[in-house]
Amino acid sequence: DAKTTQPPSMDCAEGRAANLPCNHSTISGNEYVYWYRQIHSQGPQYIIHGLKNNETNEMASLIITEDRKSSTLILPHATLRDTAVYYCIVRPLGSNFGNEKLTFGTGTRLTIIP
Amino acid sequence: DGGITQSPKYLFRKEGQNVTLSCEQNLNHDAMYWYRQDPGQGLRLIYYSQIVNDFQKGDIAEGYSVSREKKESFPLTVTSAQKNPTAFYLCASSKVTNTEAFFGQGTRLTVV
Repeated sequence: DAKTTQPPSMDCAEGRAANLPCNHSTISGNEYVYWYRQIHSQGPQYIIHGLKNNETNEMASLIITEDRKSSTLILPHATLRDTAVYYCIVRPLGSNFGNEKLTFGTGTRLTIIP
Repeated sequence: DGGITQSPKYLFRKEGQNVTLSCEQNLNHDAMYWYRQDPGQGLRLIYYSQIVNDFQKGDIAEGYSVSREKKESFPLTVTSAQKNPTAFYLCASSKVTNTEAFFGQGTRLTVV
């Protein structure tokens, strides 16, 4: 069973910030929040991950609530190339990626509008 | 450049035939994985391997087989026992203790 819930779809205007929410209310203390995205007919691409502090890299920012039960992925200036399915997953620290039989769920289909 | 390569990108086979999908990585990763993706669905784990000459079944292993004779290679065979083999197949690799995984570009298998 998926440990996260995400809205099935979202739209965002080009150039605006895209904010993608994820609920992970059953997250454990040793589990990280990971975000991947999948552009149509390609393999998923790693975006960012975090434990409890907010994180930022060249692609996005990750905001995790203080109780860690939810998070938001922020694409600061969305472009048409950001149109993709975004997956939020939780993974224990140091785990083997497949060892816990992780499922990605159906993610959020983000469409950037010109 | 380092990466993970799947081939071919598109594959067509007749029903009842076995087919093998290739996955090669030069990232020096110990762990490799195979996922299946159906239209509008997420990724489902078929098999994974944490070390050479060892592998474990995932959630939907029936009708599939794998081998891990080399660290760099993890081929997936879709056998005739797989009832609905038409799907998008994704291979991934990661360091065993690192949770970030890298994916190949996928193979779209169509069985007619």
